[in-house]
Amino acid sequence: AQSVAQPEDQVNVAEGNPLTVKCTYSVSGNPYLFWYVQYPNRGLQFLLKYITGDNLVKGSYGFEAEFNKSQTSFHLKKPSALVSDSALYFCAVRDTGNTPLVFGKGTRLSVIA
Amino acid sequence: GAVVSQHPSWVICKSGTSVKIECRSLDFQATTMFWYRQFPKQSLMLMATSNEGSKATYEQGVEKDKFLINHASLTLSTLTVTSAHPEDSSFYICSARETSGTDTQYFGPGTRLTVL
Repeated sequence: AQSVAQPEDQVNVAEGNPLTVKCTYSVSGNPYLFWYVQYPNRGLQFLLKYITGDNLVKGSYGFEAEFNKSQTSFHLKKPSALVSDSALYFCAVRDTGNTPLVFGKGTRLSVIA
Repeated sequence: GAVVSQHPSWVICKSGTSVKIECRSLDFQATTMFWYRQFPKQSLMLMATSNEGSKATYEQGVEKDKFLINHASLTLSTLTVTSAHPEDSSFYICSARETSGTDTQYFGPGTRLTVL
């Protein structure tokens, strides 16, 4: 069975500082990993994904994530946080079959000016 | 990126009535669509997986007779909440996966259902 863990319910960071939102996963085969962002009363917006290839993936709005197979992690990062980055972030995983995404519980990011 | 629309964005209905929510992939074809439910401050709960032209696959604990899903074309799936009750009030989000092989799921903006 697939699962995703986001160990932090809330992450607070000052504007301009680097941010990290943590994610670890468990799948039986090779993972397809995704990050999504959700603003209040909105659906999910796709940020980035890892399927194969380079472990460092760059996505929308300056976000990036690093796939670490040995640690089964896919942490989301941004070098310099903006207040507008404040939102709910979801990590998701699926295996290589035709299976739906499994989501973590989400991490609320607050960027303080 | 690809766009998924949902209609309506919010709906208020009386207990006992049925509500239909539409999900459309606007600029891509989606063999598979998914319906999720999200409670306040919680993650997304998968309700069902819908494949075009075939019956939906429901997750354990989701009543298929209450939540009717139809996926009649590669760009349209509908979720009908039948005989809605206040406990059905929630945020419903659809998602569509491209058939091009990129494996990305794109999400609609969600539908806020309030049953009085």
